[in-house]
Amino acid sequence: GNSVTQMEGPVTLSEEAFLTINCTYTATGYPSLFWYVQYPGEGLQLLLKATKADDKGSNKGFEATYRKETTSFHLEKGSVQVSDSAVYFCALFERSGGSNYKLTFGKGTLLTVNP
Amino acid sequence: NAGVTQTPKFRILKIGQSMTLQCTQDMNHNYMYWYRQDPGMGLKLIYYSVGAGITDKGEVPNGYNVSRSTTEDFPLRLELAAPSQTSVYFCASRIDLTTYEQYFGPGTRLTVT
Repeated sequence: GNSVTQMEGPVTLSEEAFLTINCTYTATGYPSLFWYVQYPGEGLQLLLKATKADDKGSNKGFEATYRKETTSFHLEKGSVQVSDSAVYFCALFERSGGSNYKLTFGKGTLLTVNP
Repeated sequence: NAGVTQTPKFRILKIGQSMTLQCTQDMNHNYMYWYRQDPGMGLKLIYYSVGAGITDKGEVPNGYNVSRSTTEDFPLRLELAAPSQTSVYFCASRIDLTTYEQYFGPGTRLTVT
């Protein structure tokens, strides 16, 4: 079946540091890939997406490139802020049978950014 | 536009008690989902619905039931609460088959003791 593996946390950085959170996936077909962010006490929000190989998703200074050859979708940001402190989830979106599409989530990576 | 709302925010249940977690969306979305999030884990799909009157099991449906009598509402029922159901529960919705983004509610934190 499909699966998503993302780097274990927690990750602690100083403000303005460079961020990378690794994500790799296994899938039977050609999935779409997502990063979701969960701020403290809130539900998940879509951060960025990429729907086909070599697509780059970007939002709020975050970027991730869909690499089919390495089955990866690593999240990067050049200069993190304290407000980026949150849990980040990598997710895969693929047809799961019939008319339903399924989101498969990684375990999440807690990021803490210190001033 | 409220989006996806969930009630209650927190609840403590004793073993064997029952409760219903409420979920409502005001975006006229056809697809709705219930997930649970255990500490250090990703989200696991409990049940989903592709429209009013239609529901189906996800990965971890045991111990739960759902109904979808209207487009807006998708309640999740726990009949005999067990400690293994201690978790954070998220409801989500999506407009249709061709739209990727799921919109999540703020979650319900449930503790069963």
